[in-house]
Amino acid sequence: SQQGEEDPQALSIQEGENATMNCSYKTSINNLQWYRQNSGRGLVHLILIRSNEREKHSGRLRVTLDTSKKSSSLLITASRAADTASYFCATDGGSKLTFGKGITLSVRP
Amino acid sequence: DTGVSQDPRHKITKRGQNVTFRCDPISEHNRLYWYRQTLGQGPEFLTYFQNEAQLEKSRLLSDRFSAERPKGSFSTLEIQRTEQGDSAMYLCASSHPTTQYNEQFFGPGTRLTVL
Repeated sequence: SQQGEEDPQALSIQEGENATMNCSYKTSINNLQWYRQNSGRGLVHLILIRSNEREKHSGRLRVTLDTSKKSSSLLITASRAADTASYFCATDGGSKLTFGKGITLSVRP
Repeated sequence: DTGVSQDPRHKITKRGQNVTFRCDPISEHNRLYWYRQTLGQGPEFLTYFQNEAQLEKSRLLSDRFSAERPKGSFSTLEIQRTEQGDSAMYLCASSHPTTQYNEQFFGPGTRLTVL
């Protein structure tokens, strides 16, 4: 079963715009991670936020975590066509990762 | 290339046949994970090893599935008597205990098609 639920399921934006993706989960976590997957490829780790952190930045990425609401958001600023991919949130309960269904992001040039 | 590698990248088989996939983790990563991903879904956990010990198995891993990591390095995932419902991408990942907070590094996956 999948714990994370991403929202929206699909997002289409113009290059240069910001993209915001949301994730909700159900149980307690050690940390929450975001991954990117290009079509037919493996997953690439983007950013990890620990359960005691509220916000984290990495380059054009900004992730927030609200453990009281069991939700996280990923913001990609100044999007590029190369950001077109599927994005997954994954919760880490201590060993395995539990993924959501993913968000398909399309960035139009 | 020192990333996680998987072999083969694609496998087409007929229903009822057995298939075996291989995963080579990043050197010195002692944890190795198998996930399955079907179209339009996120990866689902199958099993994981710490060194050669298989520590957790998902209920998704029916008795037709078996995974091994005999020397604590590479791992194999075997599916016996394949069914059409086994068609999916099989992903392997590895992590190191000192990797901050269980960051997992994924291989490119093996895409299985059962006809």
